[in-house]
Amino acid sequence: AQTVTQSQPEMSVQEAETVTLSCTYDTSENNYYLFWYKQPPSRQMILVIRQEAYKQQNATENRFSVNFQKAAKSFSLKISDSQLGDTAMYFCAFMKHTYSGGGADGLTFGKGTHLIIQP
Amino acid sequence: DGGITQSPKYLFRKEGQNVTLSCEQNLNHDAMYWYRQDPGQGLRLIYYSQIVNDFQKGDIAEGYSVSREKKESFPLTVTSAQKNPTAFYLCASSTLQVSNQPQHFGDGTRLSIL
Repeated sequence: AQTVTQSQPEMSVQEAETVTLSCTYDTSENNYYLFWYKQPPSRQMILVIRQEAYKQQNATENRFSVNFQKAAKSFSLKISDSQLGDTAMYFCAFMKHTYSGGGADGLTFGKGTHLIIQP
Repeated sequence: DGGITQSPKYLFRKEGQNVTLSCEQNLNHDAMYWYRQDPGQGLRLIYYSQIVNDFQKGDIAEGYSVSREKKESFPLTVTSAQKNPTAFYLCASSTLQVSNQPQHFGDGTRLSIL
């Protein structure tokens, strides 16, 4: 079984600052995928960024980037030039690769980090 | 627009009553999932289904039941055996045709005990 740990229950930064959210995971799998989801007060789950474990290059999506350290089982999210709309819960999630199709067994989530962007 | 529709948005259950949460998707996705979210917790997997007429238990299936009679629909029944049903329930779906595809989520149903 997999576990995902987010050690920062809450973080607060000023608008325009850069913030890094940490995530570590434990698995015996070699092929897997990692995701960061954002959940604003509306409770919608919005995909922020994804990373394939077999790729060494860190994923980036505009102001969002990850630092993926496979050996250390670490997957942190960096948000640059933070904006008020970034205020939300952020969840790190693990998905095992299965031969019936990616994601067939469901996601394993961390407990989340509540990020507050101050004006 | 393609997406996942969960209904109702809010649901109340009396003691000893079964209630059913609806989840419909028009994304032509093969797999569907139910998650439970409690305050201060991440999402936990209840049940999932990869194909019509087949489904598997997730990490916290006790007190819940599901059916998958149509590809588009995956209703969740919270039975009276679930002693602490108050939570936010999220339905998700994903394609199985391509690896690494993320799950798409509905807007959720909040279930409370009367």
